[in-house]
Amino acid sequence: SQQGEEDPQALSIQEGENATMNCSYKTSINNLQWYRQNSGRGLVHLILIRSNEREKHSGRLRVTLDTSKKSSSLLITASRAADTASYFCATDQRAFRKLTFGKGITLSVRP
Amino acid sequence: DGGITQSPKYLFRKEGQNVTLSCEQNLNHDAMYWYRQDPGQGLRLIYYSQIVNDFQKGDIAEGYSVSREKKESFPLTVTSAQKNPTAFYLCATQGMGSYNSPLHFGNGTRLTVT
Repeated sequence: SQQGEEDPQALSIQEGENATMNCSYKTSINNLQWYRQNSGRGLVHLILIRSNEREKHSGRLRVTLDTSKKSSSLLITASRAADTASYFCATDQRAFRKLTFGKGITLSVRP
Repeated sequence: DGGITQSPKYLFRKEGQNVTLSCEQNLNHDAMYWYRQDPGQGLRLIYYSQIVNDFQKGDIAEGYSVSREKKESFPLTVTSAQKNPTAFYLCATQGMGSYNSPLHFGNGTRLTVT
């Protein structure tokens, strides 16, 4: 199975609401990253959190990391229709020098 | 996509033909990667290269080949040995000191084999 698994698989919210997405992983990591993908496009890096960090902010994004539970969450506050996209977590595992991606979460923000 | 060009955007081939996907970057990044994306599958690593003239197999390398003769270029060949080649292919780069560095992605090539 995937190293990183996101939850839920799909999320539909109203514009202005907050969106929370979760990611769980199995093995020790150097860092965990979140990416966004608009339909038919490449992925865009959103935020990286290192294994010794617990929380990080970037604009309307807030990421937390709990290494004891091997989980991370991405919070998008005050969502906009333009936030509609797929979101992926990726883990940089200590044993390998490459990122492993989850299957992604489809976020729909209704205007 | 900022400096990573994948071409063509759409590619159609007949079964049994080899096809080469182009990836060019002007970010001066050392590491380059090829991922395959299928609906509902996320991204799976095909090949990666951390330095010119060197590359390693990823998780699903069978039926694919690559070369890294120049820092700027990392072409991927999908051979006739690849059983299910129809997919969305993404190229990515990563800067020096790759630990704790994000990936930069191109906009992908959608390959359809009939």
